[in-house]
Amino acid sequence: EAGVAQSPRYKIIEKRQSVAFWCNPISGHATLYWYQQILGQGPKLLIQFQNNGVVDDSQLPKDRFSAERLKGVDSTLKIQPAKLEDSAVYLCASSLAGAETQYFGPGTRLLVL
Amino acid sequence: AQSVTQLGSHVSVSEGALVLLRCNYSSSVPPYLFWYVQYPNQGLQLLLKYTSAATLVKGINGFEAEFKKSETSFHLTKPSAHMSDAAEYFCAVSPTGANSKLTFGKGITLSVRP
Repeated sequence: EAGVAQSPRYKIIEKRQSVAFWCNPISGHATLYWYQQILGQGPKLLIQFQNNGVVDDSQLPKDRFSAERLKGVDSTLKIQPAKLEDSAVYLCASSLAGAETQYFGPGTRLLVL
Repeated sequence: AQSVTQLGSHVSVSEGALVLLRCNYSSSVPPYLFWYVQYPNQGLQLLLKYTSAATLVKGINGFEAEFKKSETSFHLTKPSAHMSDAAEYFCAVSPTGANSKLTFGKGITLSVRP
């Protein structure tokens, strides 16, 4: 069974530029999560989708971050404009509806210069 | 609100020695508890989870953890460390129930000396 796929794996941009990350969850997983992992810290939930609806986006900086999951499968996370403090690993995870275990992708490492 | 405390940022053990990684949680509701491992440049892999069944939980790669409600702890142990265990380990807590948000600790880096 294929795992959670993310692209790109690495991205370097200058501050004030925009960037987008893509995630493809495990087939059949209705719930999708985006986490931000800053160096030296544990992952922090940014947004959670159930199918194509948002369940929790309370920690998403909505002035610059946006995310969508239009068809209830793939998801895109966008940052516009990026700040230096956005340098982090962005992890996507998915889970079956009704399950407590989340499966993580390899992450996208973002460096903002 | 829920939180996890992982004291210390780095643990070093000799190969073959006991591994003990500490995790304490704070939760106003009954929790689920998880340990994840992260190898360099990889995502997080689930080691084990406590979901209110047996308090002693066995996971992959010989790891186990015991849920102690009175101590609000969920420490991770392995009797004999292998070089391949070197990685970063995260403890996480969530409310009981499906598809709940995970709150992670800061993580502990485990080094294994030959």
